[in-house]
Amino acid sequence: EVQLVQSGAEVKKPGESLKISCKGSGYSFTSYWIGWVRQMPGKGLEWMGIIYPGDSDTRYSPSFQGQVTISADKSISTAYLQWSSLKASDTAMYYCVRRPGGGFDYWGQGTLVTVSS
Amino acid sequence: DIQMTQSPSSLSASVGDRVTITCRASQGISNSLAWYQQKPGKAPKLLLYAASRLESGVPSRFSGSGSGTDYTLTISSLQPEDFATYYCQQYYSTLSWTFGQGTKVEIK
Repeated sequence: EVQLVQSGAEVKKPGESLKISCKGSGYSFTSYWIGWVRQMPGKGLEWMGIIYPGDSDTRYSPSFQGQVTISADKSISTAYLQWSSLKASDTAMYYCVRRPGGGFDYWGQGTLVTVSS
Repeated sequence: DIQMTQSPSSLSASVGDRVTITCRASQGISNSLAWYQQKPGKAPKLLLYAASRLESGVPSRFSGSGSGTDYTLTISSLQPEDFATYYCQQYYSTLSWTFGQGTKVEIK
């Protein structure tokens, strides 16, 4: 069974750093793109970026380029999303997703990030 | 970036109704379109891809159509479990995808 399991909710202060994770199982982790999607409270879905764990090829939405870093460790089938300096506006639910070639067919359960002083 | 515009932003319907949601792209996307359903507090779920292909396990009352810039999601007979928010997404742009703003389907 394909699963994407994300790390737990985080509460951080502005200016702090953060790295959240997404562990894939039940499929060949290095053969599918893994992406990240943001959903701010009460709002819609925004694609942030994507990585191909097989060769670490990474692409970012222009809206998120330079704001976050996406990485992956294929030895443990885990993708990451990280911030070096959080802002209150980063408060959102973050989903990791698998992309087989069309839409995003599997989604993680989501990681809620709250940034507040 | 390709912009995706969904309409309506919300609608009220009754169980058994036929419901149609439209998604328009700012340029042609050659059927590179997916539809998702999201229920409150849950991750979105893929319903259709390639504009009209049903994802495995999705009920046949869901269907998709369209071409060029205009696409439609239809629910032939709305069921209680279908009340949710629906999003379209284009994946025509290489490794650069955008979602519509969502359509909330509520109980009349």
